[in-house]
Amino acid sequence: DIQMTQSPSTLSASVGDRVTITCRASQSISSWLAWYQQKPGKAPKLLIYKASSLESGVPSRFSGSGSETEFTLTISSLQPDDFATYFCQQYNINSPWTFGQGTKVEIK
Amino acid sequence: EVQLVESGGGLVQPGGSLRLSCAASGFTFRNYWMTWVRQAPGKGPEWVASITQDGSEKYYVDSVKGRFTISRDNAKSSLYLQMNSLRAGDTAMYYCVRVGYDILTGDYWGQGTLVTVSS
Repeated sequence: DIQMTQSPSTLSASVGDRVTITCRASQSISSWLAWYQQKPGKAPKLLIYKASSLESGVPSRFSGSGSETEFTLTISSLQPDDFATYFCQQYNINSPWTFGQGTKVEIK
Repeated sequence: EVQLVESGGGLVQPGGSLRLSCAASGFTFRNYWMTWVRQAPGKGPEWVASITQDGSEKYYVDSVKGRFTISRDNAKSSLYLQMNSLRAGDTAMYYCVRVGYDILTGDYWGQGTLVTVSS
């Protein structure tokens, strides 16, 4: 199976900061990558799919980039509602979905 | 509005069985692949099983093959997961997930149902 590695595991930031989370795949997945946001006690919410496509209704301060094995999620100006845990997920064709271990964005 | 509502979780002893259900509404259920994803406490999500629109093809993570069965009833807009021979390692929140038609990954998730396997 394809392994997904996120960094950092925890990130401390302030409102207004630019935040970047990295995800690496153990083999090429083209652009078959999604990013999810999860708040405590809630289900994950889709933010980005196909590496850089913004899901409908998601604020434009969220953006995704990358291809093959290296991907990033960027929040251009962190808002109070953005403190949460973020997961990357690969959905390469003919491979079982796998997720990263998560990045918790905390208030600095 | 798309809604996915899971039920059927609970506390079960090792070796026991549970049947999870997911009631879907707000979209044409028969047109979508559906998936179960689980998440153990403090861990990242883990894909468990997927089923095609008509139920003719089913896919499982290796750790549940032969123990879990995914199924659906398109007339009732419902998804199921029959879980047998449960183990402590199956303890997790189980989410019903719709696979987006063009997105090809999970675009809507239910609120989850908790399965705890313990003696």
